[in-house]
Amino acid sequence: EVQLVESGEGLVQPGGSLRLSCAASGFTFSSHAMHWVRQAPGKGLEYVSAISGNGVSTYYADSVKGRFTISRDNSKNTLYLQMGSLRAEDMAVYYCARDFYDSGRGYFDLWGRGTLVTVSS
Amino acid sequence: QSVLTQPPSVSGAPGQAVTISCTGSSSNIGAGYDVHWYQQLPGTAPKLLIFGNSNRPSGVPDRFSGSKSGTSASLAISGLQAEDEADYYCQSYDSSLSGSGVFGSGTKVTVL
Repeated sequence: EVQLVESGEGLVQPGGSLRLSCAASGFTFSSHAMHWVRQAPGKGLEYVSAISGNGVSTYYADSVKGRFTISRDNSKNTLYLQMGSLRAEDMAVYYCARDFYDSGRGYFDLWGRGTLVTVSS
Repeated sequence: QSVLTQPPSVSGAPGQAVTISCTGSSSNIGAGYDVHWYQQLPGTAPKLLIFGNSNRPSGVPDRFSGSKSGTSASLAISGLQAEDEADYYCQSYDSSLSGSGVFGSGTKVTVL
């Protein structure tokens, strides 16, 4: 089955760190760029980060640049998001999404169900 | 504050048509980047609705259509049905943000 499954949900204190994972199955993972998109409670979608299929190119929203790191392991069909210096405004459901293309400039044709990150003391 | 502006809400009776606008600028939609649309039903992950401005993925009813002109794009829903009640988001890329992806502010469609 073609699917994306996020994990890493958790409660973290402000200033803390957390790593999210997204396990892909049912398709050739390395042929697609991957993205992270988040949604704060009751709010709209916010673009977070992207990585090309070969992992060479990465993109970040200004709101997370310097604090978050996106990476992938194509041998494990897994996407990661290492989040640091977490703030209250980072609290959200984080979705991983597959890009139709491998460059990271396409549309998101497959989404995971999301994983919740709570930032609170 | 979203780079792409959408109306917060639109509504219509079953069978009617509604249109959702997505207004950008010369650094995103006007720069030639394609616009894509996603539907998010309550409590679920977003789903691709329109890609490449006006193309429907397999399985999306033809009552959904998209268009783009200048610095704006639109999503039209004709023959509104109860199951169309959801949040809708446009998405593109922006050259002024290091080429980062951007989403619209989202529009809640209510079927009266």
